[in-house]
Amino acid sequence: LAKTTQPISMDSYEGQEVNITCSHNNIATNDYITWYQQFPSQGPRFIIQGYKTKVTNEVASLFIPADRKSSTLSLPRVSLSDTAVYYCLVGGSNDYKLSFGAGTTVTVRA
Amino acid sequence: GAVVSQHPSWVICKSGTSVKIECRSLDFQATTMFWYRQFPKQSLMLMATSNEGSKATYEQGVEKDKFLINHASLTLSTLTVTSAHPEDSSFYICSAKGRVVTEAFFGQGTRLTVV
Repeated sequence: LAKTTQPISMDSYEGQEVNITCSHNNIATNDYITWYQQFPSQGPRFIIQGYKTKVTNEVASLFIPADRKSSTLSLPRVSLSDTAVYYCLVGGSNDYKLSFGAGTTVTVRA
Repeated sequence: GAVVSQHPSWVICKSGTSVKIECRSLDFQATTMFWYRQFPKQSLMLMATSNEGSKATYEQGVEKDKFLINHASLTLSTLTVTSAHPEDSSFYICSAKGRVVTEAFFGQGTRLTVV
């Protein structure tokens, strides 16, 4: 399983863009990169998933460079409700063990 | 995204009793389900992975006789905490993944308190 490394915490203000970078140097060829958001006392919520280049949905964008050894989750114009822990996971569609790293605590201030 | 329902949301039980937690995939067939426990301000710790119709694979250090996992159908998995003790008090979360998708979806979690 590819190990992931993320910053422990990030602070931001409402309306700003937040970018969280995750390192996964030993990502395998068939591994996808998935990001989840978790609020206290709730299960993680799927945000976005990608394999290469750029993926965008209604809540976030995921940037993956050509070597795929890192990825960046971009949250545009954050609000107070985006304060949460964000987890980056890598894994293949077949050997999906779905293990979590420490995550990044994002705090959005008014 | 797909919906995974976990029940109950919270439970309080006496020490020595057993507690069953259910995890259902409501709108897809979950070929693989995962069970986690999470302590305050910590990350999710994977306890076991189960594939429909086969025995669960437990992570190192997780007692399989204490945490019984059953994945008898493509929409239901259960975790039974047997002979619960106060140290088993935690937040338990399930996750489900279908055969043709690459992402997993999570239940809302179950807060277990053993008194």
